[in-house]
Amino acid sequence: DQQVKQNSPSLSVQEGRISILNCDYTNSMFDYFLWYKKYPAEGPTFLISISSIKDKNEDGRFTVFLNKSAKHLSLHIVPSQPGDSAVYFCAAVLQGGSEKLVFGKGTKLTVNP
Amino acid sequence: NAGVMQNPRHLVRRRGQEARLRCSPMKGHSHVYWYRQLPEEGLKFMVYLQKENIIDESGMPKERFSAEFPKEGPSILRIQQVVRGDSAAYFCASSPGTTYSPLHFGNGTRLTVT
Repeated sequence: DQQVKQNSPSLSVQEGRISILNCDYTNSMFDYFLWYKKYPAEGPTFLISISSIKDKNEDGRFTVFLNKSAKHLSLHIVPSQPGDSAVYFCAAVLQGGSEKLVFGKGTKLTVNP
Repeated sequence: NAGVMQNPRHLVRRRGQEARLRCSPMKGHSHVYWYRQLPEEGLKFMVYLQKENIIDESGMPKERFSAEFPKEGPSILRIQQVVRGDSAAYFCASSPGTTYSPLHFGNGTRLTVT
């Protein structure tokens, strides 16, 4: 039962353009969401997060948008850089629960020079 | 390096052997999580531990798998009588335990069962 879904396995964009990575979830009890970035042979590294009481959070080139009614969040990277090429995982945390993360399957982003 | 340390990075075991994976959390972190990533899959939660306590093991297979986080020393994920299906990347993460603090991950142990 995939509670967090990333329906695009891969995405390719040109350097300087916007990258938009999407994530859908099914459990309305999720109340905190995170994006992680993962390079090959390394562990995931935390990128940005958003609480369910917000609809937007921004950190430099990275912005996460949350649409609770649609159970959808997205990560925008502007401008995209070749070093952003990695697998991006969306993760969610249950309300009132531990920090246990439920991950999507990931989207592989390739930024072409 | 004050990050989450996992060893070994690579581990090869024959079917039926035991695998022991170690994780030292970040300094000051008392909460440890283990995740498993199968090929082409996301990370799946296995177990959440605090010092000397298993808090949530809902993601652990019922047999052959165990985890501990002793008062002294690293957290250990132990897999007995490994099978080919256990081949995966095993990631450990730690946190200080404050509400909604992001987990910090190690670089994982890649287990190959031959």
